[in-house]
Amino acid sequence: QKEVEQDPGPLSVPEGAIVSLNCTYSNSAFQYFMWYRQYSRKGPELLMYTYSSGNKEDGRFTAQVDKSSKYISLFIRDSQPSDSATYLCAMSLNTDKLIFGTGTRLQVFP
Amino acid sequence: GAVVSQHPSRVICKSGTSVKIECRSLDFQATTMFWYRQFPKQSLMLMATSNEGSKATYEQGVEKDKFLINHASLTLSTLTVTSAHPEDSSFYICSARTRAAGEKLFFGSGTQLSVL
Repeated sequence: QKEVEQDPGPLSVPEGAIVSLNCTYSNSAFQYFMWYRQYSRKGPELLMYTYSSGNKEDGRFTAQVDKSSKYISLFIRDSQPSDSATYLCAMSLNTDKLIFGTGTRLQVFP
Repeated sequence: GAVVSQHPSRVICKSGTSVKIECRSLDFQATTMFWYRQFPKQSLMLMATSNEGSKATYEQGVEKDKFLINHASLTLSTLTVTSAHPEDSSFYICSARTRAAGEKLFFGSGTQLSVL
């Protein structure tokens, strides 16, 4: 079993839709949870950073962490074609070694 | 956010040659830099962790003599792929961490290495 599981997609939605991206993990000791956006052949860009459980909102993005279920989510409201990218979840025990999911490819069509 | 510059963005080389990739933190001092490798449609795999002025720590299965990492200053780390072979063709990405940003990781734009 992988430490972090993420559906690779692709996930295709119309512009304006609410997008839900998810990851599950096996190590209950993870404390730091992140979401990165990666455009093709570019480095990942940090979108959301959460410590421990709870919700965090930043503009159209909301990150949720449910440690009891070992499940994290990223919601994108009013999705735009420019949101089309691969979204990677990542998590770690401390701030050192990140464990990444395989990424979910999102396509938002006009 | 903090800016991490990585060069070159793309390199094509012949089998047996060595390739150096640079990673610079432009507006902050990076306490630690990380090197990742990413194959198509796969996630980022950590290769090694480097702290300024000390030897890099390599992940299991990564050959330290093949992937030489130098972290000479708080703003520069280099990865040298020695005697590159076609199986080393991959997307290499560096990242840097700074305490000033709450220990968050910022990534470079990556280097696509193609070994012929």
